[in-house]
Amino acid sequence: ETGVTQSPTHLIKTRGQQVTLRCSSQSGHNTVSWYQQALGQGPQFIFQYYREEENGRGNFPPRFSGLQFPNYSSELNVNALELDDSALYLCASSEPGIDTQYFGPGTRLTVL
Amino acid sequence: GIQVEQSPPDLILQEGANSTLRCNFSDSVNNLQWFHQNPWGQLINLFYIPSGTKQNGRLSATTVATERYSLLYISSSQTTDSGVYFCAVSNTGNQFYFGTGTSLTVIP
Repeated sequence: ETGVTQSPTHLIKTRGQQVTLRCSSQSGHNTVSWYQQALGQGPQFIFQYYREEENGRGNFPPRFSGLQFPNYSSELNVNALELDDSALYLCASSEPGIDTQYFGPGTRLTVL
Repeated sequence: GIQVEQSPPDLILQEGANSTLRCNFSDSVNNLQWFHQNPWGQLINLFYIPSGTKQNGRLSATTVATERYSLLYISSSQTTDSGVYFCAVSNTGNQFYFGTGTSLTVIP
């Protein structure tokens, strides 16, 4: 059984660009959540996807968008990157009826 | 949203010492998890504990839901316990709120 995987590991972009981050959920998990973790802070909830539909969103602007695919993998897209978007982006998956979240290793995004 | 406060923010221990980390939250919750974040950023589940007490080796946790706090106990600490410990709570099942963490350093 493979765990949650994320790609890429690191990414450097410039202000105004767009970025796509990817997450493969753990086998059997149909729910994927995305978090942003700024340096020295706890993770902040961006949104959750359940069976390909958005199932809750945190306090993030619309330029943060996502997708979930039929195999339950997911993408996080961020448009018009700002310097403050520099952070560790974490993906977590969970299985139906089980409330424990399992996190991937994260993607570290730097915006210059 | 739910406010989550963790204390202490930083902790330095000698190897072999015991410690207690605290998590206070501002609203009733139906989900509470403790995580350990290693130096590479990976969050590892320690406990799913919305109420009651659980133990796993040298670690144990207690949540008193009616008083809105949870405690994580680390006994006989080892250098591999170093990292940041987070408490995360939810009352909706989808949106989780994290505290700012307790940074633990265990010195040999």
